[in-house]
Amino acid sequence: SQQGEEDPQALSIQEGENATMNCSYKTSINNLQWYRQNSGRGLVHLILIRSNEREKHSGRLRVTLDTSKKSSSLLITASRAADTASYFCATDANQAGTALIFGKGTTLSVSS
Amino acid sequence: DSGVTQTPKHLITATGQRVTLRCSPRSGDLSVYWYQQSLDQGLQFLIQYYNGEERAKGNILERFSAQQFPDLHSELNLSSLELGDSALYFCASSVVATSTDTQYFGPGTRLTVL
Repeated sequence: SQQGEEDPQALSIQEGENATMNCSYKTSINNLQWYRQNSGRGLVHLILIRSNEREKHSGRLRVTLDTSKKSSSLLITASRAADTASYFCATDANQAGTALIFGKGTTLSVSS
Repeated sequence: DSGVTQTPKHLITATGQRVTLRCSPRSGDLSVYWYQQSLDQGLQFLIQYYNGEERAKGNILERFSAQQFPDLHSELNLSSLELGDSALYFCASSVVATSTDTQYFGPGTRLTVL
């Protein structure tokens, strides 16, 4: 079953613009992670935010977490064509130990 | 390159057949996870092994099984294949098995069942 739901499903922007993706989840979590997947390839870990953190930065990435609303957002600033990919949020809240539960992802297209 | 290797990259087979997917985790990683990615189901956790022992099960069908060997590589066995088993199968590894571990994903095996 899906834990996270990303919104929007698809996003198209121009290079240099900011891209914001949202993720909502259903149950309480220990942490939330964001991954990127280039078309048909493996997932690349972007950032992890713990449940007691509200905001985290990594380069051009900014992640926020609102546990009261059970939601997170990923902001990519100054987007580049190379940022074109699918972005997934993943949580650890499940009965299956430390496995990740992924949302369905947001497909980001950045055109030059 | 994540350091996780998966073989084969592509696999085409017929319904009813059995296949084995192989995963080698990053050097030093003790935990291995298997995920299935399909268009309709998205990314689904199948099973996790930690240092040779099964740690957790997700949405893994009874026709599927896995194991982790003493050298820590893992194999996922899929039998009595059906058309709906066509998907990308990913292996991921992490150092141990805590919720704050980063999971490093392999490039995946694309399985096509005809």
